Formats: sequence, structure tokens, C-alpha cells
Amino acid sequence: EIVMTQSPATLSVSPGERVTLSCRASQSISSNLAWYQQKPGQAPRLLIYGASTRATGIPARFSGSGSGTEFTLTISSLQSEDFAVYYCQQFSTWPLTFGGGTKVQIK
Amino acid sequence: QVQLQQSGPGLVKPSETLSLICTVSGGSISGYYWSWIRQPPGKGLEWIGFTSNSVSTTYNPSLGSRVTISMDTSKNQVSLNLSSVSAADTAMYYCATTNVWLSWSSWGQGTLVTVSA
Repeated sequence: EIVMTQSPATLSVSPGERVTLSCRASQSISSNLAWYQQKPGQAPRLLIYGASTRATGIPARFSGSGSGTEFTLTISSLQSEDFAVYYCQQFSTWPLTFGGGTKVQIK
Repeated sequence: QVQLQQSGPGLVKPSETLSLICTVSGGSISGYYWSWIRQPPGKGLEWIGFTSNSVSTTYNPSLGSRVTISMDTSKNQVSLNLSSVSAADTAMYYCATTNVWLSWSSWGQGTLVTVSA
């Protein structure tokens, strides 16, 4: 099983700041990575797939990069609605696995 | 984009079978990939299993042989059965779908299932 490790676990940020979230795979997954955003009481929402392709309707301030084992989700200028938990997920190998999440909270 | 509506009991007794249904509108289930994903209270996401046509299914080995996912094209529904449940199976359960390989773009509203006597 591929283990996905996200860092940091919690990030305290002010609105307008640039945010960088990290996700590391225990072995190479090429670009087979997705990012999700989850707000309290809601289902996750797909942000990025294929490591760098924004899903339909996702604002351009969200971007993904990386390949192999190291991946990054960047929010260029954090908006109030972006405070949430972010998860990465690999789809290179069964079973599909998720990272433990990064909570982005207000500083 | 398809709409997913989940249904099923919120309380299941230990050792019994958890059964959930995901009813789809706005598209045929045959044209999509399907998964069930769960999230214990206050914790992260765990993938349960995948199907694309009820013939092609893959399950999380951590759940052993307890899981069955199937599709009913006549009702446009995807179902989850998880047998021999215990308190460790208490979680919010989501059905999810996509037409992009294994990146889940549409999710059901979630069903909180509590396993308790």
C-alpha cells in the first residue's frame, strides 16, 4: 500500500497570504495524484487531478505541481472561503489511499 | 454533472450488514466510475472500493471479504454492503463518481452510520 504523508498537519494563515501544502508518496506515483478540499459538514470537493489539472469550476488561485513522490498544492492568495481541510489522494496503485490532511485555519 | 442521493440506515447493530444505496440522476451510471469512501468522525478519508460495471470491482484489502459494491442499471443505483460490522466501522459513508480516472469529482451528501447495539 502506498502511504501518503501530508505536511504540515495544521497551517495558520492570514487572508491574502500565499499557501503551500505538501504531499509525499512512499513510492513513485508519477502524476497520479488528486487534491480535495473539505469544509465542516460537507463532502470533499475535487480541486486538482493528474497532479496539476484544475477540476471544473475551480478558481485559478489553486494550482498543483509535482510528480514522482513530491507534490504541492498552492493557493496564491487565500480567501475566506478557503479555510478548510485539504487531502491528497493517489490513484497510481490499488488500494487508493489518501493523505491525513492539512487543516488551513485562520491566523 | 450527475447528482448523487444516498439512502440507508444510520444505525446498524454489531455483526450485522451495513447497506447503503446511491441513487443517481442526470446521467447513466454506466458511463462513470464509482467508489465508496468513508470517514470516521474527526478523522481522514478511507477508500472502501471501486466499480465501473459491477464486473470490474476492486476493494480495499483492509476490509477483507466484508465488502460488496454493485450497480443496478435499471434503477440507476450503486450499492454498498459491508458485513459483520463493528464499532470501528462507524463513519460517514460517501458514494463518489467521476468520468476522469479515479479522481472523484461528484460526491453524495454522505450518510453517518453508527454501529451500536
